[in-house]
Amino acid sequence: DVKVTQSSRYLVKRTGEKVFLECVQDMDHENMFWYRQDPGLGLRLIYFSYDVKMKEKGDIPEGYSVSREKKERFSLILESASTNQTSMYLCASSLLQGRETQYFGPGTRLLVL
Amino acid sequence: QKEVEQDPGPLSVPEGAIVSLNCTYSNSAFQYFMWYRQYSRKGPELLMYTYSSGNKEDGRFTAQVDKSSKYISLFIRDSQPSDSATYLCAMSPRRDDKIIFGKGTRLHILP
Repeated sequence: DVKVTQSSRYLVKRTGEKVFLECVQDMDHENMFWYRQDPGLGLRLIYFSYDVKMKEKGDIPEGYSVSREKKERFSLILESASTNQTSMYLCASSLLQGRETQYFGPGTRLLVL
Repeated sequence: QKEVEQDPGPLSVPEGAIVSLNCTYSNSAFQYFMWYRQYSRKGPELLMYTYSSGNKEDGRFTAQVDKSSKYISLFIRDSQPSDSATYLCAMSPRRDDKIIFGKGTRLHILP
């Protein structure tokens, strides 16, 4: 069974803290994605990666960075957390030629105080 | 005009009814159409995937694409309370291209 796991289900951080969100997939997928999901705004793509050490900006990369040192792991970094980054963060993965079939993790609900 | 439009709901229907969920889109280049289901506090899961126009059936679920009208639908027959979730449509012009998601429709099946 395919599996995408995220390091935390719930996270509370303070403004200005550096935040790391980890995602691991066990499907040997080339593509990995980070989204945030907010009421009324839907899913918005932050960054994606199509190979190890490769990354591309999505629609809302400001305030975020990513790291992909191993194929199965994709990290999202909030360099200096702000209250407007309070959101649900979803990681997904897909085969290289199959971005349309993305498998999502359970999500991390982040609250920035 | 937004690229993908989806009524947010909520849509409440009695158990056993046929449910119709819809999305419209503006980009005629879209060829791949998906429906994702998202339960509360969970990540989305792929429910149906269709290429180009036509119908696809999987158990109680039928996905329909009308490219001439730029309109896609998901039908749920014999709806169950366990179908209560948010349903997201998604589409893409090519397999290796970015996916555009709708904002989702919240569905409640009343026992």
